[in-house]
Amino acid sequence: SQTIHQWPATLVQPVGSPLSLECTVEGTSNPNLYWYRQAAGRGLQLLFYSVGIGQISSEVPQNLSASRPQDRQFILSSKKLLLSDSGFYLCAWSVLRARDLSGANTGELFFGEGSRLTVL
Amino acid sequence: AQSVTQLDSQVPVFEEAPVELRCNYSSSVSVYLFWYVQYPNQGLQLLLKYLSGSTLVKGINGFEAEFNKSQTSFHLRKPSVHISDTAEYFCAVTRGRGYQKVTFGTGTKLQVIP
Repeated sequence: SQTIHQWPATLVQPVGSPLSLECTVEGTSNPNLYWYRQAAGRGLQLLFYSVGIGQISSEVPQNLSASRPQDRQFILSSKKLLLSDSGFYLCAWSVLRARDLSGANTGELFFGEGSRLTVL
Repeated sequence: AQSVTQLDSQVPVFEEAPVELRCNYSSSVSVYLFWYVQYPNQGLQLLLKYLSGSTLVKGINGFEAEFNKSQTSFHLRKPSVHISDTAEYFCAVTRGRGYQKVTFGTGTKLQVIP
């Protein structure tokens, strides 16, 4: 069966320090991978998604970046954290070629446990 | 572009009472619709999804939702809630057909009162 892990679960960092959140998926190949940020009252904001190794799409301008060095590994990074980067970060994957009645990707997402980042 | 509106940020309801969480979407093309549940400090878990076919979709934990194309709605219902249903619920939409992005609503916190 497929599993997704992300770490660390919690992180407290000073302003201006670097960030690295890691996410790995097991039990599937060539998944779509996503990073979402969740802030109170704002739902889930899509930050990055990737359809393959080295392929990253950015959804919002910010001081965060993402990389996909391996098929099932997705990393969220920052060189210098801001206070506004605090939040709950969620990694997710979906099956690129899952089949529904029309043969398209159904878009169902499978989420990791989340990483809570506090920037002080 | 696609968007999702969850009109209620919080819904208090007494245990064993029925509940409806509202979701409206906007899209110029056919969509796939989802409801996810999030328990405190955890990731999201799929409750149910609508892809095509019957407009009444049944999910886990006794939840169901009805797709209404004319009203562009996908409201979530449960006839009798339990304390364990206390969580935040998110409606989501994607255009499907290989479209990779999923758009989420702002969430509705369901508080079940004993």
